[in-house]
Amino acid sequence: EPEVTQTPSHQVTQMGQEVILRCVPISNHLYFYWYRQILGQKVEFLVSFYNNEISEKSEIFDDQFSVERPDGSNFTLKIRSTKLEDSAMYFCASEGGTGDRNEQFFGPGTRLTVL
Amino acid sequence: GQSLEQPSEVTAVEGAIVQINCTYQTSGFYGLSWYQQHDGGAPTFLSYNALDGLEETGRFSSFLSRSDSYGYLLLQELQMKDSASYFCAASIRGGYNKLIFGAGTRLAVHP
Repeated sequence: EPEVTQTPSHQVTQMGQEVILRCVPISNHLYFYWYRQILGQKVEFLVSFYNNEISEKSEIFDDQFSVERPDGSNFTLKIRSTKLEDSAMYFCASEGGTGDRNEQFFGPGTRLTVL
Repeated sequence: GQSLEQPSEVTAVEGAIVQINCTYQTSGFYGLSWYQQHDGGAPTFLSYNALDGLEETGRFSSFLSRSDSYGYLLLQELQMKDSASYFCAASIRGGYNKLIFGAGTRLAVHP
């Protein structure tokens, strides 16, 4: 069964450093998302991406964040200068865009730890 | 703002039925989804309601009342493996179905 994959599974970085989180969505999907989940809290929407551009972003997704789909398969989230409060699990999700199920498929996540 | 309310914890025994309620206050509401998340895992889609009424998928059913801004997830014939967190999530149009999640309900199933 097709699945969303994410690398790395765990990333440890120093405050102020740049990180790039990588995702490979399901190949025929059209809509891509990044969410984050701080430990013990709810999943929070960061950004949606369609047709090679951002369709919506949340207040969390400030100028330090960017997304890219560089090669038609990978979907990346970059944090330019990490802060302690960026420590969280980051989930990538993709959606086919067809039918009425509105089912988003989540990857296993990348746990980001900022020291 | 956008918010979804659900109970923080529910406890039940194997074989029982449990209902997890969700009320929402959102603009641009399109539908209500339910996701399951085991500790350390990713959210996994369970069901989706765009229209009022009951949707049944095996042991799980989900209900939506748009006029009451209310939905629930019904889990039947509970098994130990159903112990997990359950999130209701509102699909918001205009953002290509971005999901706004509730805080989650932790379900503990006991023998």
